[in-house]
Amino acid sequence: EDQVTQSPEALRLQEGESSSLNCSYTVSGLRGLFWYRQDPGKGPEFLFTLYSAGEEKEKERLKATLTKKESFLHITAPKPEDSATYLCAVQGRRGGSNYKLTFGKGTLLTVNP
Amino acid sequence: DTGVSQDPRHKITKRGQNVTFRCDPISEHNRLYWYRQTLGQGPEFLTYFQNEAQLEKSRLLSDRFSAERPKGSFSTLEIQRTEQGDSAMYLCASSLSGRDTFSGNTIYFGEGSWLTVV
Repeated sequence: EDQVTQSPEALRLQEGESSSLNCSYTVSGLRGLFWYRQDPGKGPEFLFTLYSAGEEKEKERLKATLTKKESFLHITAPKPEDSATYLCAVQGRRGGSNYKLTFGKGTLLTVNP
Repeated sequence: DTGVSQDPRHKITKRGQNVTFRCDPISEHNRLYWYRQTLGQGPEFLTYFQNEAQLEKSRLLSDRFSAERPKGSFSTLEIQRTEQGDSAMYLCASSLSGRDTFSGNTIYFGEGSWLTVV
């Protein structure tokens, strides 16, 4: 069974203080690792998909990296508007089909001005 | 392209009543998913459609839950005889399957439908 563990559960940063969120996973054949951002009371908003170890993707102040066992979401010089819950999910191979995501519990990021 | 649309956004119902949620996926997306999310948890998979065929149902989906996707377009999720444990946000998502089986396919979520059972 696919599993995703995110750490820390909560992270509080000062504006401009860079940090990283961790996503450890076990999956039977990785099809993709996804990062989503979720604001309170809203659905997850897609950020990145990573497909293979060594891959990196960037978007504004966010950079996602992937190894064979974990992914990191690096946040550089965060702003208060980056405050949200960041969700990590994996999509594995199940009988040759590629569909559902298995999510972690998320990291609640708070950036103080 | 207006994204995945869900209705209603919020529903308060009394225990024992039936409720139905509707999801309109991104146009031309052939895959549609339902997830459930409770406070402090990540979304949990409930069921999945490819076009109009329901291909998998999670063990979380009891007999009181039924989902349909007539004609492979919009989908409905019905919960019969609601219980307080059904209180959660019900998320719909959609994606487009591709020929490249070595790449994942991006799954886009709607804003969710909040259910409160009192």
